[in-house]
Amino acid sequence: NAGVTQTPKFQVLKTGQSMTLQCAQDMNHNSMYWYRQDPGMGLRLIYYSASEGTTDKGEVPNGYNVSRLNKREFSLRLESAAPSQTSVYFCASSDPPRNTEAFFGQGTRLTVV
Amino acid sequence: GEDVEQSLFLSVREGDSSVINCTYTDSSSTYLYWYKQEPGAGLQLLTYIFSNMDMKQDQRLTVLLNKKDKHLSLRIADTQTGDSAIYFCAEGENSGGYNKLIFGAGTRLAVHP
Repeated sequence: NAGVTQTPKFQVLKTGQSMTLQCAQDMNHNSMYWYRQDPGMGLRLIYYSASEGTTDKGEVPNGYNVSRLNKREFSLRLESAAPSQTSVYFCASSDPPRNTEAFFGQGTRLTVV
Repeated sequence: GEDVEQSLFLSVREGDSSVINCTYTDSSSTYLYWYKQEPGAGLQLLTYIFSNMDMKQDQRLTVLLNKKDKHLSLRIADTQTGDSAIYFCAEGENSGGYNKLIFGAGTRLAVHP
């Protein structure tokens, strides 16, 4: 089972460029999430989608947009990248209330110069 | 707002027990989690505990929860070099449709011979 797959694994952007981080899960989960991880800090929630067709802001949504394309896919877009968005981005999925475990992708390491 | 705190570093000798501590602030959390992150990888769920439990044991792992003090600990018995990783404590805000996680900064466990 692939679980949660993120692409790309690494990316370098110039300030002001845009890009979309892709995430897909094959576990038929309803809920999907985007987190960012910065040195010395835990993961912080950017956006989440409780079900297909819905999205909600998390703790740090500014500078990001998301699209829940279908049940499998949840993308994160940076419209105008800034150095402060240099981070490792993790996508996750879960299937509450049946199962509280969140499954994480391998992460995308993004550097904005 | 919610906050999760944990010490940043722990060093133990192989074969000893490791105890990683965590404090949290949101008394309404239904679940509390321990995740493990190995270098360059995503997060892997180790174990979780319901907020109405005091203890949970799973092979070499023992989780203790003190609700009064909002203190959570993870004990790893017979620690091995393969246990070297970053361990994240997280509290969960759960509803029927999603489970948002609030993470601590992570404890880096170093196991030496």
